[in-house]
Amino acid sequence: AIRITQSPSSLSASTGDRVTITCRASQGISSYLAWYQQKPGKAPKLLIYAASTLQSGVPSRFSGSGSGTDFTLTISCLQSEDFATYYCQQYYSYPLTTFGPGTKVDIK
Amino acid sequence: EVQLVESGGGLVQPGGSLRLSCAASGFTFSSYEMNWVRQAPGKGLEWVSYISSSGSTIYYADSVKGRFTISRDNAKNSLYLQMNSLRAEDTAVYYCARDPPAAAGYFDYWGQGTLVTVSS
Repeated sequence: AIRITQSPSSLSASTGDRVTITCRASQGISSYLAWYQQKPGKAPKLLIYAASTLQSGVPSRFSGSGSGTDFTLTISCLQSEDFATYYCQQYYSYPLTTFGPGTKVDIK
Repeated sequence: EVQLVESGGGLVQPGGSLRLSCAASGFTFSSYEMNWVRQAPGKGLEWVSYISSSGSTIYYADSVKGRFTISRDNAKNSLYLQMNSLRAEDTAVYYCARDPPAAAGYFDYWGQGTLVTVSS
């Protein structure tokens, strides 16, 4: 099974900061990677798919990059509504898909 | 508007059974692959099961294989998860999630989730 790691597991940041989260796959997954945002008590929300394609309606301050085994999610200018937990998901082995353990972004 | 609404969660004893449902609306349900994803309290996301649009192809995570059964009724726009031989580690919020067109592999719409608690 393809294993996914994320770093950091948590981070503290301020509104306006640039935030970068990293996701690493245990083997090459091309660009078959998605990013989700989840707020407490809510379902995950799709942000990015195919490593760098922004889902419709998602603000442009979110961006994704990478291919193969290393990927990043960047929030260019953190807003108050962005404090949440972020998960990456590999779907290279679709439909047997796996998620990363998550990165919690909270207020400094 | 796409909507996915789960139901059927609750408290069940270890070894017991439960059937979850997911009612879909706002899209042509019969054209989409569907999945169940769960999240244990305070933990991350775990994919549970997949079913193709016709219901002919099904996959399960190893953790539930042989105990859970996914199914769908396209006439009723509904997805189901029959859970048997439940264990404490099955305690989680269960989400139904839609695959976008062309069986992409990621999930563009999620339900609000239904909580399953396995405890004596």
